[in-house]
Amino acid sequence: SQQGEEDPQALSIQEGENATMNCSYKTSINNLQWYRQNSGRGLVHLILIRSNEREKHSGRLRVTLDTSKKSSSLLITASRAADTASYFCATEGGAQKLVFGQGTRLTINP
Amino acid sequence: DTAVSQTPKYLVTQMGNDKSIKCEQNLGHDTMYWYKQDSKKFLKIMFSYNNKELIINETVPNRFSPKSPDKAHLNLHINSLELGDSAVYFCASSPRTGEETQYFGPGTRLLVL
Repeated sequence: SQQGEEDPQALSIQEGENATMNCSYKTSINNLQWYRQNSGRGLVHLILIRSNEREKHSGRLRVTLDTSKKSSSLLITASRAADTASYFCATEGGAQKLVFGQGTRLTINP
Repeated sequence: DTAVSQTPKYLVTQMGNDKSIKCEQNLGHDTMYWYKQDSKKFLKIMFSYNNKELIINETVPNRFSPKSPDKAHLNLHINSLELGDSAVYFCASSPRTGEETQYFGPGTRLLVL
């Protein structure tokens, strides 16, 4: 069954604004990862946050993890047109596999 | 010097045919995966191999048969293709099984007519 669910399913903002996407999951996890998929391409790993971490930064990306609420958020600051893509969260819960959500489709308008 | 490559990129075929998709990674990783992404962008794992050994086999029809001749290659053979097999199939690899970043190939877009 699907583990992660992203919210919103689609998000459209103006260039320069911040974009926030959320992910909720159902079972306990070892880590949670965020991936980006540009149209017609494969997924690219963005950031991994472990279950004992609460926040992580990478460039313009900020990820938070709240294991008590079983949720994570991905914040992209100062968005650019090149950030237009689908963003997926994926959880690893000890079954030796990643389980992906259905993604948030982000559109950055110039 | 592509890290994870797949062939073919596009595959259009008739129902009932048998087809194969090939995947190669030059990252020296031990684990490789096949995923299926449907029209709603839902990405689901199908199989994973660790050093040529099958370790994950999700509920996939036995018309799908993976083969790993060595740890750098993982191929997917599909028998008796059905309309519902139309999807994008992604290969991925990771250094080890489990909690590691996965590196994805560009995908194979399969259309069954």
